[in-house]
Amino acid sequence: KNQVEQSPQSLIILEGKNCTLQCNYTVSPFSNLRWYKQDTGRGPVSLTIMTFSENTKSNGRYTATLDADTKQSSLHITASQLSDSASYICVVSAINSGYALNFGKGTSLLVTP
Amino acid sequence: EAQVTQNPRYLITVTGKKLTVTCSQNMNHEYMSWYRQDPGLGLRQIYYSMNVEVTDKGDVPEGYKVSRKEKRNFPLILESPSPNQTSLYFCASSLSSGQNTEAFFGQGTRLTVV
Repeated sequence: KNQVEQSPQSLIILEGKNCTLQCNYTVSPFSNLRWYKQDTGRGPVSLTIMTFSENTKSNGRYTATLDADTKQSSLHITASQLSDSASYICVVSAINSGYALNFGKGTSLLVTP
Repeated sequence: EAQVTQNPRYLITVTGKKLTVTCSQNMNHEYMSWYRQDPGLGLRQIYYSMNVEVTDKGDVPEGYKVSRKEKRNFPLILESPSPNQTSLYFCASSLSSGQNTEAFFGQGTRLTVV
């Protein structure tokens, strides 16, 4: 069964610090991996999309990495801001799965002053 | 502005009273889907549609219906809501199934069934 596991489940960091969120998946054959940011009570918003051939992609202070061999991805947040407080969701798609998305349960990040 | 619009944003209803949550997208996307999000369970797909008049069940379709009569609209219908359908619902759309296709989510509908 295609699965996406995220860690940690929750994280608290001080404003200005960096942090890294992890995503491990068993989805096969792999098509792409996405990271979404979801503010409380709102819809997820895309941060990055990576295909098999990409091993890093940045979006401002967010940098995602992908190791397709070990089936792992990470999302690194640099110089965190209070507005980074949100849930971060890893989503993986398989080739020939049509539009099916496999969602992780998310990492809840709280940035404190 | 490109967007996915859900209505209503908040809804409280009683058990057994039929309701419809509307979803509309203005991006001419082929694919639309509905998800529910519950604490500790993440997002789970209810139904999806790959184009007009083409719909299929997702992971948790029981108790829900959908229709896709027009490309832009994909309403979610609860014929006889029950308390276990209390949840946060999201509609999403994307252009195609290509590798870099972006999925856009609506703002969510928080449904409470009492």
